[in-house]
Amino acid sequence: DQQVKQNSPSLSVQEGRISILNCDYTNSMFDYFLWYKKYPAEGPTFLISISSIKDKNEDGRFTVFLNKSAKHLSLHIVPSQPGDSAVYFCAARISQTGANNLFFGTGTRLTVIP
Amino acid sequence: DAGITQSPRYKITETGRQVTLMCHQTWSHSYMFWYRQDLGHGLRLIYYSAAADITDKGEVPDGYVVSRSKTENFPLTLESATRSQTSVYFCASSRTGDGEAYGYTFGSGTRLTVV
Repeated sequence: DQQVKQNSPSLSVQEGRISILNCDYTNSMFDYFLWYKKYPAEGPTFLISISSIKDKNEDGRFTVFLNKSAKHLSLHIVPSQPGDSAVYFCAARISQTGANNLFFGTGTRLTVIP
Repeated sequence: DAGITQSPRYKITETGRQVTLMCHQTWSHSYMFWYRQDLGHGLRLIYYSAAADITDKGEVPDGYVVSRSKTENFPLTLESATRSQTSVYFCASSRTGDGEAYGYTFGSGTRLTVV
């Protein structure tokens, strides 16, 4: 039973435009959310995170939005660059309940077309 | 070199064989994790360790054994490999188990094929 869902397996965007990657979750106990980026033959690397007490967190070209009532978060990349082409994983955590509570989505493959 | 390293990068083994995947980190992070990545499932936690000699099961522990005699090493053993264990395995480490803002640091992965 997938508690964190990324319903779009892939997304293609033109260079310079906005990329929007979506993530839905079912467990209302999740209070911390992270995005990871993964290139082929490499491990995932941390990109950006957001606490449930916020609805937006921004880091350069990357912004994560959280809508708790809809149990939905999204990652915006503006402007998109070819180097952003990778698989993006959404993850959610119930803090302070142990290290086995980080749940990952299935990933979205982003392709930025030059 | 500083970081987290996994070995081997690629491994092909036969059904029923024992195989051990190695993970080594140089940060002295307390927490270490083993995940597997499969199409349609994302990353799933197999085992984790909060410190040397402390390990616990994750979401999909069956068929796997771990140990952690030293802080820096966290090997994962498949006691009798099955085809369903064909996957990409990622090791990760973290200074804390749940409250760290930057998540976990992952190794580059081991692609295991069981034939």
